[in-house]
Amino acid sequence: QVQLVESGGGVVQPGESLRLSCAASGLIFSSYGMHWVRQAPGKGLEWVAFIRYDGSFKYYADSVKGRLTISRDNFNNTLYFQMNNLRPEDTAMYYCAKDVERYYNSGSYDSWGQGTLVTVSS
Amino acid sequence: SSELTQDPAVSVALGQTVRLTCQGDSLRSSYASWYLQKPGQAPVLLMYGKNNRPSGIPDRFSGSSSGNTASLTITGAQAEDEGDYYCNSRDGSVNHVVFGGGTKLTVL
Repeated sequence: QVQLVESGGGVVQPGESLRLSCAASGLIFSSYGMHWVRQAPGKGLEWVAFIRYDGSFKYYADSVKGRLTISRDNFNNTLYFQMNNLRPEDTAMYYCAKDVERYYNSGSYDSWGQGTLVTVSS
Repeated sequence: SSELTQDPAVSVALGQTVRLTCQGDSLRSSYASWYLQKPGQAPVLLMYGKNNRPSGIPDRFSGSSSGNTASLTITGAQAEDEGDYYCNSRDGSVNHVVFGGGTKLTVL
């Protein structure tokens, strides 16, 4: 079955950087759009980034545009999230999720990782 | 960007039917997807598209839509259906998605 395993979270100070990874298995990774979705402690879900199956298009929520960058390595079946200039409001559990579609952000994510926690605090 | 509105909390008696709703302008042009998140776990996709249910999701879950409102109906709620339910939809013409604030479902 599909397995998505995130890593790279941790505690950082405001302005610092982190790189999250999501290792995928049990699927043809290069065939699907992928996402990062986050959830602040005690809050709801927030979609933050999407990358097309081949990496040709990327879309970001306004809250992270210009600071966080999604990328993928289809050879190694891995999704990445480079997080720069982190702010306290970026504190959240970050989930990688697989779209049911390959070309566009359908909103339908049928596989999720267990999440990796990012805490931004001085 | 658009917003999706969900009731913060709903309760249902064991075995009864409950309908959860999701309202927003984006639903006039895009289908909703529905997720269930249990404490400490990742969300699980329940329904998507016109009325698609991923494999492994019980058929007591069904979806519908009218105008700016999408609904998720649980026919014969079970104890394991307790949790937070989220809807989402594509946000108009951009490749963005917006989530509702979530509904906490309690099965009595």
